[in-house]
Amino acid sequence: AQSVTQLGSHVSVSEGALVLLRCNYSSSVPPYLFWYVQYPNQGLQLLLKYTTGATLVKGINGFEAEFKKSETSFHLTKPSAHMSDAAEYFCAVRASNTGKLIFGQGTTLQVKP
Amino acid sequence: EAGVTQFPSHSVIEKGQTVTLRCDPISGHDNLYWYRRVMGKEIKFLLHFVKESKQDESGMPNNRFLAERTGGTYSTLKVQPAELEDSGVYFCASSSGPLGQFFGPGTRLTVL
Repeated sequence: AQSVTQLGSHVSVSEGALVLLRCNYSSSVPPYLFWYVQYPNQGLQLLLKYTTGATLVKGINGFEAEFKKSETSFHLTKPSAHMSDAAEYFCAVRASNTGKLIFGQGTTLQVKP
Repeated sequence: EAGVTQFPSHSVIEKGQTVTLRCDPISGHDNLYWYRRVMGKEIKFLLHFVKESKQDESGMPNNRFLAERTGGTYSTLKVQPAELEDSGVYFCASSSGPLGQFFGPGTRLTVL
């Protein structure tokens, strides 16, 4: 069975600082991994996804994530935080043989001026 | 292209009442999913339609929940009778294939 763990329910960074949101997964098959973002009063928006191929995946708004099979991780990073990045971020893995997503608990990112 | 829409955005009902949530997927998307987030918990899968057929309903909590997708277009999720623990945000998502689900804004359900 698949599962996702996001380390840290709240992360606070200063504007311009590196953003690092951690995600570890468990999967018995090669995983398909996703990061979604939810801005206040909006739905979930797909940031990026990993399926196969290149392990460094670039997404929207300057975010990227690296799939590390040996560490079962898919951490999300952004070199320089903007105030507009303040939101809740969700890591998810696609359950094998079905389309459903299994989500982590979510990480709220606060960006301080 | 219109995104996934959900109605209503908020619903406040009393325990024992019935509520029906609606989801309109992106046009042409055969796959439609329902998820729920109870406060403080992770987003959890409820069920998956492929066109009008239920592909996977393993996440439906109990028989008070009934989902339909007549004609393979919009979907409804009915809760009858509602209980306090049903409160949360209900998300709908759609996709044309197995990857990259597009989510709606959610319906916030409060059961008093």
